[in-house]
Amino acid sequence: NAGVTQTPKFRVLKTGQSMTLLCAQDMNHEYMYWYRQDPGMGLRLIHYSVGEGTTAKGEVPDGYNVSRLKKQNFLLGLESAAPSQTSVYFCASRSGTREQFFGPGTRLTVL
Amino acid sequence: EDQVTQSPEALRLQEGESSSLNCSYTVSGLRGLFWYRQDPGKGPEFLFTLYSAGEEKEKERLKATLTKKESFLHITAPKPEDSATYLCAVHPQRTYKYIFGTGTRLKVLA
Repeated sequence: NAGVTQTPKFRVLKTGQSMTLLCAQDMNHEYMYWYRQDPGMGLRLIHYSVGEGTTAKGEVPDGYNVSRLKKQNFLLGLESAAPSQTSVYFCASRSGTREQFFGPGTRLTVL
Repeated sequence: EDQVTQSPEALRLQEGESSSLNCSYTVSGLRGLFWYRQDPGKGPEFLFTLYSAGEEKEKERLKATLTKKESFLHITAPKPEDSATYLCAVHPQRTYKYIFGTGTRLKVLA
């Protein structure tokens, strides 16, 4: 039982490049979330999904897109990366009793 | 506006020196309050869920309590391995979202 996994763990992009972050969970959870974590700002919600085929905007969605084609996977895309998107990205899935389980994170640097 | 504030931002304790971390919140209605531990370079790790005022949960040296306005994470006789950032989050009613505080960085010195 791997829980929540994220790939890649680290990535360096140049401004304007695109990339996709992959999140996978093996706990059969319906709800999944993407957060970014920046120093002094805590975890901020980017997008979330309440089930396969659904997505919704969170607090800071601009510049990001998501897809939830399969229940176990939640993809976060950056179409044209900007330096302001340098951050640590965490994926989480939510259990029926509402606690969230987080992945190990992806550290992204945009030059 | 739903909001979570954690204090202090940072705390240094000697091994065995008990203390408490505070999480103050304002929400239109509370579905749950959550405590997480985060080690450097890792994702947050779930510790406790509290649903209603007066509820308490314990795990080893940690005890979480909840009132209508705040939650406390009490650390009894801490050890160096308790050093981490502790995050508090609330889940308001009528939303799927969670609101996180900025955390308390705890350092326990041997």
